[in-house]
Amino acid sequence: SQQGEEDPQALSIQEGENATMNCSYKTSINNLQWYRQNSGRGLVHLILIRSNEREKHSGRLRVTLDTSKKSSSLLITASRAADTASYFCATARLGGGTSYGKLTFGQGTILTVHP
Amino acid sequence: DTAVSQTPKYLVTQMGNDKSIKCEQNLGHDTMYWYKQDSKKFLKIMFSYNNKELIINETVPNRFSPKSPDKAHLNLHINSLELGDSAVYFCASGLRGGSSYEQYFGPGTRLTVT
Repeated sequence: SQQGEEDPQALSIQEGENATMNCSYKTSINNLQWYRQNSGRGLVHLILIRSNEREKHSGRLRVTLDTSKKSSSLLITASRAADTASYFCATARLGGGTSYGKLTFGQGTILTVHP
Repeated sequence: DTAVSQTPKYLVTQMGNDKSIKCEQNLGHDTMYWYKQDSKKFLKIMFSYNNKELIINETVPNRFSPKSPDKAHLNLHINSLELGDSAVYFCASGLRGGSSYEQYFGPGTRLTVT
């Protein structure tokens, strides 16, 4: 499996419901980030959680990180139709050299929120 | 006030041709990246430049050559295009000196090789 794998691959919910997406990774990390990609657009940074943090909030977003399990989850509360997009987790590894600044992305979760 | 811009947005060309994609950022970042997103949406880093110096060079065919005339620009030139090069190419920028590695992405260039 690849670094930064998201689960599920696709998620379909109704407006107002919560959406939870999970991400697993393999190597030690400096931080883990979540990005959103609307159809036909570039990725937009949503939230970053550092390896020494366990939970972080930003508006309707809640991210958790469990470094012992090498996993993270993104929760979007009270979802809206405008949240329809693909969501990617990306990990930044520890160490310098060519690893410095390098993000490794998973294949993403496609979220569809029905009005 | 576009942060990271790419041109062209769409590129349709025939096998064997040579093409370039341009990228510019006005965020004052010192590091720029090229990513390739395949049809399954998997996003893979290709290159990274920091202050015009190549710092990340993944396993990419020699037909791909990045060029950074200054730290605000990173262009991607592709020689002898092949069908498998069809994908969406994203440019991104960030601060290498920062501690977060957060990156800002351009809108992408959809390359179709026929």
